[in-house]
Amino acid sequence: SQQGEEDPQALSIQEGENATMNCSYKTSINNLQWYRQNSGRGLVHLILIRSNEREKHSGRLRVTLDTSKKSSSLLITASRAADTASYFCATDEETSGSRLTFGEGTQLTVNP
Amino acid sequence: NAGVTQTPKFQVLKTGQSMTLQCAQDMNHNSMYWYRQDPGMGLRLIYYSASEGTTDKGEVPNGYNVSRLNKREFSLRLESAAPSQTSVYFCASSERVILYNQPQHFGDGTRLSIL
Repeated sequence: SQQGEEDPQALSIQEGENATMNCSYKTSINNLQWYRQNSGRGLVHLILIRSNEREKHSGRLRVTLDTSKKSSSLLITASRAADTASYFCATDEETSGSRLTFGEGTQLTVNP
Repeated sequence: NAGVTQTPKFQVLKTGQSMTLQCAQDMNHNSMYWYRQDPGMGLRLIYYSASEGTTDKGEVPNGYNVSRLNKREFSLRLESAAPSQTSVYFCASSERVILYNQPQHFGDGTRLSIL
């Protein structure tokens, strides 16, 4: 079963706009991670936020975590065509041991 | 600096054939993972190896076997391929899990079609 569920499933924006993707999950977590997948490639880790953190930044990426609502958001500011990819959240459940559980992803298209 | 290398990149099999997907990492990671990715279903964990000498089932282990050959290599075997196993297979690795799961590093996948 999928722990993380991303919303929206697909997002299309213009270059320069901001893109926001959301992730909801069901159980208590140690941390939540975001990954990017370019077409035909493997996933690349973007950012990790721990359960005791509320916000984290990395370059043009901003991630928030609300453990009371069991949700996270990924904001990409000033988007570029090169940001076109699928974005996945992955949850590290407290009882999962060595496993991450991935959501189904958001397909982001940034139009030049 | 290769990271995680998967071979082959593409493979077509007939129903009932067997094959082994190979994965090797050069980052000295302790943990390794095999996932499958199907359209609209995200990644699903097949098997993982938390450390050399151990393997455990993931979410969808049926029809697969794994071998952690050494710290670097983790192979996935399909004993009798079925059309339902048509998918893209990803191998990943991460540093040793202590308090929480570390970020995973992925290979570029093996695209497997079973006719």
